[in-house]
Amino acid sequence: DTAVSQTPKYLVTQMGNDKSIKCEQNLGHDTMYWYKQDSKKFLKIMFSYNNKELIINETVPNRFSPKSPDKAHLNLHINSLELGDSAVYFCASSQRETQYFGPGTRLLVL
Amino acid sequence: DQQVKQNSPSLSVQEGRISILNCDYTNSMFDYFLWYKKYPAEGPTFLISISSIKDKNEDGRFTVFLNKSAKHLSLHIVPSQPGDSAVYFCAAQRLNTNAGKSTFGDGTTLTVKP
Repeated sequence: DTAVSQTPKYLVTQMGNDKSIKCEQNLGHDTMYWYKQDSKKFLKIMFSYNNKELIINETVPNRFSPKSPDKAHLNLHINSLELGDSAVYFCASSQRETQYFGPGTRLLVL
Repeated sequence: DQQVKQNSPSLSVQEGRISILNCDYTNSMFDYFLWYKKYPAEGPTFLISISSIKDKNEDGRFTVFLNKSAKHLSLHIVPSQPGDSAVYFCAAQRLNTNAGKSTFGDGTTLTVKP
Protein backbone atom coordinates (compact mmCIF):
# COMPACT_ATOMS: atom_id res chain seq x y z
CA ASP A 1 0.00 0.00 0.00
CA THR A 2 1.38 3.38 -1.00
CA ALA A 3 1.86 5.60 2.04
CA VAL A 4 2.25 8.94 0.26
CA SER A 5 1.00 9.15 -3.30
CA GLN A 6 1.15 11.95 -5.85
CA THR A 7 -0.60 12.47 -9.14
CA PRO A 8 0.37 12.94 -11.84
CA LYS A 9 3.84 11.44 -11.91
CA TYR A 10 4.79 13.42 -15.02
CA LEU A 11 3.41 16.74 -16.18
CA VAL A 12 4.42 18.47 -19.40
CA THR A 13 2.74 21.76 -20.13
CA GLN A 14 3.09 25.10 -21.84
CA MET A 15 4.13 28.36 -20.27
CA GLY A 16 1.19 30.34 -18.94
CA ASN A 17 -0.97 27.33 -18.18
CA ASP A 18 -2.46 26.51 -14.78
CA LYS A 19 -1.91 23.06 -13.34
CA SER A 20 -2.50 21.11 -10.13
CA ILE A 21 -0.63 18.32 -8.40
CA LYS A 22 -2.45 16.13 -5.91
CA CYS A 23 -1.04 14.45 -2.82
CA GLU A 24 -2.60 11.95 -0.46
CA GLN A 25 -1.21 10.15 2.58
CA ASN A 26 -2.75 7.18 4.34
CA LEU A 27 -0.43 7.25 7.36
CA GLY A 28 -2.71 9.29 9.57
CA HIS A 29 -0.08 12.00 9.88
CA ASP A 30 -1.01 15.51 10.99
CA THR A 31 1.57 17.40 8.95
CA MET A 32 2.11 17.53 5.20
CA TYR A 33 4.68 19.34 3.05
CA TRP A 34 5.55 20.35 -0.46
CA TYR A 35 9.19 20.40 -1.56
CA LYS A 36 10.75 21.50 -4.81
CA GLN A 37 13.86 19.80 -6.15
CA ASP A 38 15.46 21.89 -8.86
CA SER A 39 18.02 20.99 -11.48
CA LYS A 40 20.80 21.27 -8.90
CA LYS A 41 19.09 18.52 -6.91
CA PHE A 42 18.56 20.81 -3.93
CA LEU A 43 15.44 19.90 -1.89
CA LYS A 44 13.75 23.08 -0.74
CA ILE A 45 10.62 23.27 1.39
CA MET A 46 7.77 25.31 -0.04
CA PHE A 47 4.82 24.80 2.29
CA SER A 48 3.78 22.89 5.35
CA TYR A 49 0.28 22.22 6.67
CA ASN A 50 -0.65 20.89 10.08
CA ASN A 51 -4.22 19.64 10.45
CA LYS A 52 -5.28 21.59 7.36
CA GLU A 53 -3.70 24.80 8.64
CA LEU A 54 -0.82 26.50 6.83
CA ILE A 55 2.18 26.73 9.16
CA ILE A 56 5.15 27.17 6.85
CA ASN A 57 5.14 29.32 3.77
CA GLU A 58 8.64 29.83 2.48
CA THR A 59 9.43 32.48 -0.09
CA VAL A 60 7.35 31.08 -2.89
CA PRO A 61 5.66 33.11 -5.66
CA ASN A 62 1.96 33.77 -5.17
CA ARG A 63 1.34 31.71 -8.28
CA PHE A 64 1.75 28.66 -6.06
CA SER A 65 -1.25 27.97 -3.85
CA PRO A 66 -1.52 24.93 -1.61
CA LYS A 67 -4.91 23.60 -0.58
CA SER A 68 -5.63 21.06 2.12
CA PRO A 69 -9.24 19.83 1.95
CA ASP A 70 -8.60 17.43 4.81
CA LYS A 71 -5.72 16.10 6.88
CA ALA A 72 -4.89 13.38 4.37
CA HIS A 73 -4.63 15.60 1.31
CA LEU A 74 -2.44 18.52 0.30
CA ASN A 75 -2.75 19.71 -3.26
CA LEU A 76 -0.58 22.23 -5.06
CA HIS A 77 -2.04 24.54 -7.67
CA ILE A 78 0.27 26.56 -9.89
CA ASN A 79 -0.98 29.49 -11.95
CA SER A 80 0.68 31.00 -15.01
CA LEU A 81 3.44 28.43 -15.21
CA GLU A 82 6.93 29.69 -16.05
CA LEU A 83 9.98 27.92 -17.45
CA GLY A 84 11.69 28.16 -14.06
CA ASP A 85 8.93 26.11 -12.47
CA SER A 86 10.32 23.03 -14.18
CA ALA A 87 11.44 20.75 -11.36
CA VAL A 88 10.48 17.70 -9.39
CA TYR A 89 7.89 18.40 -6.71
CA PHE A 90 7.75 16.12 -3.70
CA CYS A 91 4.95 15.82 -1.23
CA ALA A 92 5.74 14.50 2.25
CA SER A 93 4.00 13.84 5.53
CA SER A 94 5.15 13.44 9.10
CA GLN A 95 3.86 12.84 12.57
CA ARG A 96 7.10 13.65 14.33
CA GLU A 97 10.62 14.21 13.04
CA THR A 98 10.74 11.72 10.18
CA GLN A 99 9.20 12.67 6.88
CA TYR A 100 7.70 10.22 4.42
CA PHE A 101 7.95 11.30 0.83
CA GLY A 102 5.85 10.63 -2.20
CA PRO A 103 7.45 9.50 -5.47
CA GLY A 104 7.58 13.01 -6.91
CA THR A 105 5.92 14.81 -9.80
CA ARG A 106 8.21 15.73 -12.66
CA LEU A 107 7.00 19.02 -14.09
CA LEU A 108 8.35 20.27 -17.40
CA VAL A 109 7.25 23.67 -18.63
CA LEU A 110 7.85 24.29 -22.33
CA ASP B 1 22.15 31.14 3.04
CA GLN B 2 22.50 27.39 2.85
CA GLN B 3 22.42 26.17 6.43
CA VAL B 4 23.10 22.52 5.64
CA LYS B 5 25.87 21.63 3.23
CA GLN B 6 27.15 18.43 1.74
CA ASN B 7 30.39 19.45 0.10
CA SER B 8 30.99 16.25 -1.83
CA PRO B 9 28.55 15.94 -4.72
CA SER B 10 29.67 12.37 -5.37
CA LEU B 11 31.53 9.48 -3.81
CA SER B 12 32.64 6.19 -5.32
CA VAL B 13 33.70 3.18 -3.22
CA GLN B 14 34.38 -0.48 -3.78
CA GLU B 15 31.90 -3.07 -2.57
CA GLY B 16 32.77 -4.23 0.94
CA ARG B 17 34.65 -1.06 1.85
CA ILE B 18 33.47 1.78 4.07
CA SER B 19 31.50 4.73 2.67
CA ILE B 20 31.73 7.99 4.59
CA LEU B 21 29.34 10.78 3.71
CA ASN B 22 29.79 14.16 5.32
CA CYS B 23 27.48 17.01 6.21
CA ASP B 24 28.11 20.42 7.78
CA TYR B 25 25.60 22.84 9.25
CA THR B 26 25.77 26.44 10.37
CA ASN B 27 22.74 26.88 12.61
CA SER B 28 23.63 25.94 16.18
CA MET B 29 19.92 25.77 17.02
CA PHE B 30 19.51 22.56 15.04
CA ASP B 31 19.04 19.71 17.49
CA TYR B 32 17.97 16.78 15.38
CA PHE B 33 19.60 15.37 12.28
CA LEU B 34 18.47 12.83 9.72
CA TRP B 35 19.83 11.03 6.71
CA TYR B 36 17.62 10.14 3.79
CA LYS B 37 18.40 7.91 0.84
CA LYS B 38 16.99 8.50 -2.62
CA TYR B 39 16.90 6.21 -5.62
CA PRO B 40 16.23 7.62 -9.11
CA ALA B 41 12.57 8.34 -9.85
CA GLU B 42 11.61 7.77 -6.22
CA GLY B 43 11.10 10.00 -3.21
CA PRO B 44 13.67 10.16 -0.39
CA THR B 45 13.30 7.52 2.31
CA PHE B 46 14.40 7.85 5.90
CA LEU B 47 17.59 6.03 6.80
CA ILE B 48 18.84 7.01 10.24
CA SER B 49 18.72 9.95 12.64
CA ILE B 50 20.49 11.35 15.65
CA SER B 51 19.56 13.75 18.41
CA SER B 52 21.98 16.45 19.47
CA ILE B 53 22.23 14.88 22.92
CA LYS B 54 24.07 11.96 21.35
CA ASP B 55 27.26 11.72 19.35
CA LYS B 56 26.63 8.36 17.72
CA ASN B 57 23.72 6.28 16.55
CA GLU B 58 24.02 2.90 14.92
CA ASP B 59 21.56 0.81 12.92
CA GLY B 60 22.99 -2.27 11.28
CA ARG B 61 25.50 -1.25 8.63
CA PHE B 62 24.70 2.43 9.10
CA THR B 63 26.22 4.68 11.76
CA VAL B 64 25.79 8.40 12.12
CA PHE B 65 28.31 10.48 14.05
CA LEU B 66 27.64 13.97 15.32
CA ASN B 67 30.31 16.50 16.29
CA LYS B 68 28.39 19.45 17.70
CA SER B 69 31.41 21.64 18.31
CA ALA B 70 32.41 21.31 14.66
CA LYS B 71 28.79 21.41 13.48
CA HIS B 72 29.52 18.31 11.47
CA LEU B 73 27.90 14.95 11.01
CA SER B 74 28.82 11.94 9.00
CA LEU B 75 27.18 8.76 7.81
CA HIS B 76 29.25 5.60 7.74
CA ILE B 77 28.14 2.60 5.74
CA VAL B 78 30.09 -0.57 6.30
CA PRO B 79 30.35 -2.81 4.45
CA SER B 80 29.09 -0.94 1.40
CA GLN B 81 26.92 -2.85 -1.03
CA PRO B 82 25.98 -2.09 -4.66
CA GLY B 83 22.37 -1.60 -3.52
CA ASP B 84 23.55 1.33 -1.42
CA SER B 85 24.19 3.29 -4.62
CA ALA B 86 21.84 6.27 -4.32
CA VAL B 87 21.74 9.94 -3.43
CA TYR B 88 22.06 10.62 0.29
CA PHE B 89 20.57 13.74 1.82
CA CYS B 90 21.46 15.12 5.19
CA ALA B 91 18.69 17.07 6.96
CA ALA B 92 18.53 19.14 10.13
CA GLN B 93 15.67 20.27 12.36
CA ARG B 94 14.88 22.34 15.36
CA LEU B 95 12.69 20.08 17.44
CA ASN B 96 9.41 21.45 18.76
CA THR B 97 9.41 24.29 16.27
CA ASN B 98 7.99 24.59 12.80
CA ALA B 99 6.21 21.25 12.97
CA GLY B 100 9.18 19.16 11.97
CA LYS B 101 10.48 21.39 9.20
CA SER B 102 13.68 19.90 7.84
CA THR B 103 16.43 21.83 6.12
CA PHE B 104 18.13 19.62 3.56
CA GLY B 105 21.62 19.52 2.15
CA ASP B 106 22.00 19.18 -1.60
CA GLY B 107 22.88 15.51 -1.54
CA THR B 108 25.83 13.24 -2.22
CA THR B 109 25.61 10.60 -4.93
CA LEU B 110 27.16 7.37 -3.70
CA THR B 111 28.26 4.74 -6.20
CA VAL B 112 29.30 1.35 -4.85
CA LYS B 113 31.20 -0.65 -7.43
CA PRO B 114 30.95 -4.46 -7.42
